[in-house]
Amino acid sequence: DTGVSQDPRHKITKRGQNVTFRCDPISEHNRLYWYRQTLGQGPEFLTYFQNEAQLEKSRLLSDRFSAERPKGSFSTLEIQRTEQGDSAMYLCASSRNEQPQHFGDGTRLSIL
Amino acid sequence: AQTVTQSQPEMSVQEAETVTLSCTYDTSENNYYLFWYKQPPSRQMILVIRQEAYKQQNATENRFSVNFQKAAKSFSLKISDSQLGDTAMYFCAFMRSTGANNLFFGTGTRLTVIP
Repeated sequence: DTGVSQDPRHKITKRGQNVTFRCDPISEHNRLYWYRQTLGQGPEFLTYFQNEAQLEKSRLLSDRFSAERPKGSFSTLEIQRTEQGDSAMYLCASSRNEQPQHFGDGTRLSIL
Repeated sequence: AQTVTQSQPEMSVQEAETVTLSCTYDTSENNYYLFWYKQPPSRQMILVIRQEAYKQQNATENRFSVNFQKAAKSFSLKISDSQLGDTAMYFCAFMRSTGANNLFFGTGTRLTVIP
């Protein structure tokens, strides 16, 4: 069990730029989740994959956000035309079915 | 909709003492799971303990135990013999037993263990 891996750990970008984050789940986990955590808050659900299928998206996931999980392994989360309000920690978690989710270290996004 | 409320933004406890963190939730579901996660400073979220709603017996993991009151929709975490390494943000979370199984988190309680 090598754990959930996220890359990069930190991303600083200018407003209006596009950014992409990567998550590598625990290898035998079929479910992958993305959450967003802002300062002083608990994580909020963004989207969920079962294998390669994106089965649910939160209303928080505006049309500037897109997520993929090709081949049901790693996942990417892309934010287009970033805005100040996108500054947050983006957390990835994986699980085997409804078993407890394991979290990565997160990617901290800062918008200048 | 599911909501999770943690009414204690910050708490502190002396090393070796016992502390209880509170959590209430609201749901119309009958079957669900409840969790406590720990997030140390600048480190990843770690599962502390899990409770299935259909189980009446309170979950226990070493120094960590819960008081699950289903009718009151209350789920508190008791940490016994507190250690310096317990200093962290603690999040209570709810998960439905069907559907996406995504977690609904509270706003967290920052616990500081004082030497």
